[in-house]
Amino acid sequence: QQQVKQSPQSLIVQKGGIPIINCAYENTAFDYFPWYQQFPGKGPALLIAIRPDVSEKKEGRFTISFNKSAKQFSLHIMDSQPGDSATYFCAASTSGTYKYIFGTGTRLKVLA
Amino acid sequence: ETGVTQTPRHLVMGMTNKKSLKCEQHLGHNAMYWYKQSAKKPLELMFVYNFKEQTENNSVPSRFSPECPNSSHLFLHLHTLQPEDSALYLCASSQAGTGVGNQPQHFGDGTRLSIL
Repeated sequence: QQQVKQSPQSLIVQKGGIPIINCAYENTAFDYFPWYQQFPGKGPALLIAIRPDVSEKKEGRFTISFNKSAKQFSLHIMDSQPGDSATYFCAASTSGTYKYIFGTGTRLKVLA
Repeated sequence: ETGVTQTPRHLVMGMTNKKSLKCEQHLGHNAMYWYKQSAKKPLELMFVYNFKEQTENNSVPSRFSPECPNSSHLFLHLHTLQPEDSALYLCASSQAGTGVGNQPQHFGDGTRLSIL
């Protein structure tokens, strides 16, 4: 119940495409859902985060869609660029705890 | 510059060695974390310190020993490690406290540890 299932494991898109990464969870106590971007040789960097009181959040070219009833959330990258090639992690946590439960990551490659 | 600095960036050690990993955060946060990142596995939370007090030990073997002398510094002391301990060790920090809602965690770039 503490798992966050992330898919796909890897993804290749053409420049300008819209890659979509999906995450699913079981624990209904989760109330904070961040996405992290990690480049080789670097630590994960916070990209965007959402709480379950909204169904969508946009920051620049990155959008999170949240479906509370389905217990799923997705990251969409609009107009993807080669510089977006990285590994993306979703995570979930519960208020008052310090535990992030991470997905296994999606390796994205955007072709020029 | 993430505001969280980890040293060394790379470490190779034998199974009988003793070494320490260091983390320093310049963000004014009061919670610090150690994570283990292995290939094709989710990030694994190892330890959490909140206001210098350890609040989480995620069933980590005793060959890993954390130390948090103040809210800005965190160490991970290593002793008699095994080959399966080879991984990227990440430090993170956040604002935290009793009753505070979730705050973003900010990660350092990690220490790549290889056990011979």
